[in-house]
Amino acid sequence: EVQLVESGGDLVQPGGSLRLSCAASGFTFSSYWMHWVRQAPGKGLVWVSHINNDGSSTNYADSVKGRFTISRDNAKNTLYLQMNSLRAEDTAVYYCARGGDSPLMPFDYWGLGTLVTVSS
Amino acid sequence: DIVMTQSPDSLAVSLGERATINCKSSRSVLYSSNNKNYLAWYQQKPGQPPKLLIYWASTRESGVPDRFSGSGSGTDFTLTISSLQAEDVAVYYCQQYYSTPPYTFGQGTKLEIK
Repeated sequence: EVQLVESGGDLVQPGGSLRLSCAASGFTFSSYWMHWVRQAPGKGLVWVSHINNDGSSTNYADSVKGRFTISRDNAKNTLYLQMNSLRAEDTAVYYCARGGDSPLMPFDYWGLGTLVTVSS
Repeated sequence: DIVMTQSPDSLAVSLGERATINCKSSRSVLYSSNNKNYLAWYQQKPGQPPKLLIYWASTRESGVPDRFSGSGSGTDFTLTISSLQAEDVAVYYCQQYYSTPPYTFGQGTKLEIK
């Protein structure tokens, strides 16, 4: 059974940093593109970042470019999102999601999400 | 970026009746070389993550009931629930994965029971 379990969400002050993790199991993690998607309270889904299967290719939404860094450890079956210079507008539930074997695929499995709150 | 626009924003349908949600993309998401529309539909129930329902505009994900169907091509797409069940109450999102990044979602359509 495919499972994605996010962790690391917390209350952080504006300008602070946080690292999210997503532990994957039930599939060959190293074969898939992986994504982070966020959802602000009461709002819709917004794609944040993705990484290819071996970690050599990454992309970001304009709103987080230069502040967030996605990475993965295929030996640990874990996806990460390093979030720096956090702003109030980054407050959201952050989901990790599995893509496919190419970037042009839908997101077929999602974790339950982890809540990041940026507030003083 | 491709903008995805759903209509309506909310919808109330009686149990057993048909529900129809529309999604329009600002540019075609049809890839001519393989004749596939890079369009997906997701269902999100309260307090839960999104769940993939439909991909390639009309292919049902494994385990999704056949009352859910997707149609359309190019820039105009529809998600239809043929006979609404109580468990279908959710927010539904369309998403394009044709021109990435970014992957863009519609704003969501909230489906309720009338």
